[in-house]
Amino acid sequence: GENVEQHPSTLSVQEGDSAVIKCTYSDSASNYFPWYKQELGKRPQLIIDIRSNVGEKKDQRIAVTLNKTAKHFSLHITETQPEDSAVYFCAASYSGGGADGLTFGKGTHLIIQP
Amino acid sequence: DSGVTQTPKHLITATGQRVTLRCSPRSGDLSVYWYQQSLDQGLQFLIQYYNGEERAKGNILERFSAQQFPDLHSELNLSSLELGDSALYFCASSGVGTKDTEAFFGQGTRLTVV
Repeated sequence: GENVEQHPSTLSVQEGDSAVIKCTYSDSASNYFPWYKQELGKRPQLIIDIRSNVGEKKDQRIAVTLNKTAKHFSLHITETQPEDSAVYFCAASYSGGGADGLTFGKGTHLIIQP
Repeated sequence: DSGVTQTPKHLITATGQRVTLRCSPRSGDLSVYWYQQSLDQGLQFLIQYYNGEERAKGNILERFSAQQFPDLHSELNLSSLELGDSALYFCASSGVGTKDTEAFFGQGTRLTVV
């Protein structure tokens, strides 16, 4: 089955700086890669996703890049703000048939220092 | 509000007991997923139902079972509960096709086994 590794487990950055979280996956059949943000005690919420036919996607201060050859994808947050503090999860799945359940990374606790 | 409703929000029960968690998906979503979130195991995919049929199995124990009813709501049954089953259980739903892959999570049911 799919295995997703996520690094780092904790990331502390100064407000206004950029944050980068990296994930690798093992199953070359995976074609859908979402990122979820989870605040303490709340549900995971999708912040951005990318499909395997695209190398990069951007939404305001958030961007995701995908390298299919290396089976590697990353989340980039620029101009970080206090409200960006949360746990971020990357995930991978095969979309379009068969097993669609998401395999999640272990999460990155992002701390924005004022 | 994601549109996915889970009940109850909190559940405390004793070891050896059986409980049922309920999930109502977003209107029109045919797929329902169950996930378990614990500190040591992270977010783990348990099982997926699609339009009433089991579609994929993840790391679901034999003591756990689920079903999806004709009105598309789903129930997760946990039996012979152990202390280690204490966790946050999330239900998520998604639509049909590759463009509707985004999984919307409910608020979760926090299960405490004592």
